[in-house]
Amino acid sequence: NAGVTQTPKFQVLKTGQSMTLQCAQDMNHNSMYWYRQDPGMGLRLIYYSASEGTTDKGEVPNGYNVSRLNKREFSLRLESAAPSQTSVYFCASSSQGGDTEAFFGQGTRLTVV
Amino acid sequence: QKEVEQNSGPLSVPEGAIASLNCTYSDRGSQSFFWYRQYSGKSPELIMFIYSNGDKEDGRFTAQLNKASQYVSLLIRDSQPSDSATYLCAVTLLANSKLTFGKGITLSVRP
Repeated sequence: NAGVTQTPKFQVLKTGQSMTLQCAQDMNHNSMYWYRQDPGMGLRLIYYSASEGTTDKGEVPNGYNVSRLNKREFSLRLESAAPSQTSVYFCASSSQGGDTEAFFGQGTRLTVV
Repeated sequence: QKEVEQNSGPLSVPEGAIASLNCTYSDRGSQSFFWYRQYSGKSPELIMFIYSNGDKEDGRFTAQLNKASQYVSLLIRDSQPSDSATYLCAVTLLANSKLTFGKGITLSVRP
């Protein structure tokens, strides 16, 4: 059982480049989330999708876009990467919104130079 | 005001002691409350959840919720060096499934 799978695990981008972080879950969960984690800042919510077909902004959405491609997949796109987006990104999913345990992917360590 | 606030750390306790971790939240519509543990370089994992006022015990862990005071805590009894990690408090507004985390507190258990 793979759970939540994120790709890639590591990425280095140049300022201004674009990229998409992929996330897929095989647990038939309704809700999916993208967080970024910076030292001393905990997990900050970028975007979330309560159910297939819906997406909402979180605490720090600027500079990011998301797509809930289907129930399994939720991607995060950086259109024009900036050094301030250097961070560790986590995707998570939960079965029924926030009422249940969220399962996390292994994280993507992104460096923008 | 940040939605979920945790005591600034780090917290250091001796092995065998009780570690007390605290968290406050701002939105009275918050319905579900979680404590996640995150080891360095790893992903967060759930250790406790609580929905109703009062205490909930699971082994050495006790979660306490006081909705009137908008306060949730985690007690770790008989702390072990393996408990050394960052502990993240999280709350959810059931109405919109938004899962929000605090900054986390790093716990160090001294042998």
